[in-house]
Amino acid sequence: DTAVSQTPKYLVTQMGNDKSIKCEQNLGHDTMYWYKQDSKKFLKIMFSYNNKELIINETVPNRFSPKSPDKAHLNLHINSLELGDSAVYFCASSGLSYNSPLHFGNGTRLTVT
Amino acid sequence: QQPVQSPQAVILREGEDAVINCSSSKALYSVHWYRQKHGEAPVFLMILLKGGEQKGHDKISASFNEKKQQSSLYLTASQLSYSGTYFCGTHNTGTASKLTFGTGTRLQVTL
Repeated sequence: DTAVSQTPKYLVTQMGNDKSIKCEQNLGHDTMYWYKQDSKKFLKIMFSYNNKELIINETVPNRFSPKSPDKAHLNLHINSLELGDSAVYFCASSGLSYNSPLHFGNGTRLTVT
Repeated sequence: QQPVQSPQAVILREGEDAVINCSSSKALYSVHWYRQKHGEAPVFLMILLKGGEQKGHDKISASFNEKKQQSSLYLTASQLSYSGTYFCGTHNTGTASKLTFGTGTRLQVTL
């Protein structure tokens, strides 16, 4: 049973295209996140949702639009892809408390050519 | 602003000890530690809440100095399986929905 699953695992696309990444968790968590890990391995939070509501939006370009149809799903749609969007995108989930660990999906490696 | 970790990278021989530090410019409520192996997702190690507690399991432990806004991860008698990149993650007071990860420390354990 995969706790946090995201698809696809790899995504190769050309500049200007639109793409989506899907994420689902079966842990019953209230909070879900998108993190971006760049080539230097820095993990940066992009968005945080609590029970379908957007809580954190870390000055991400509005080409990135997250959507949470229910608290178990959090998708990320990216419009007009740019070279700088190439990275590994991780979905994660947790309970809403300071002592609740994050559970990560396996990541989506996005390559924009 | 993300927490700063030191050292950036460290190479150990199996059996040696290491300390990884995490320092924040903001007041902290909790510190998380994660390990990420190459090509994989980060995996949770432990959480420390404010109060200066120390935690540990097996040969990995951590401390949290709330006043100094710092945490340290201690790896003793390192094993090959400890290799990976270690990240601290911090919660500032009032932001339980935002875990900010540190700059990362790459640890390599060799024979």
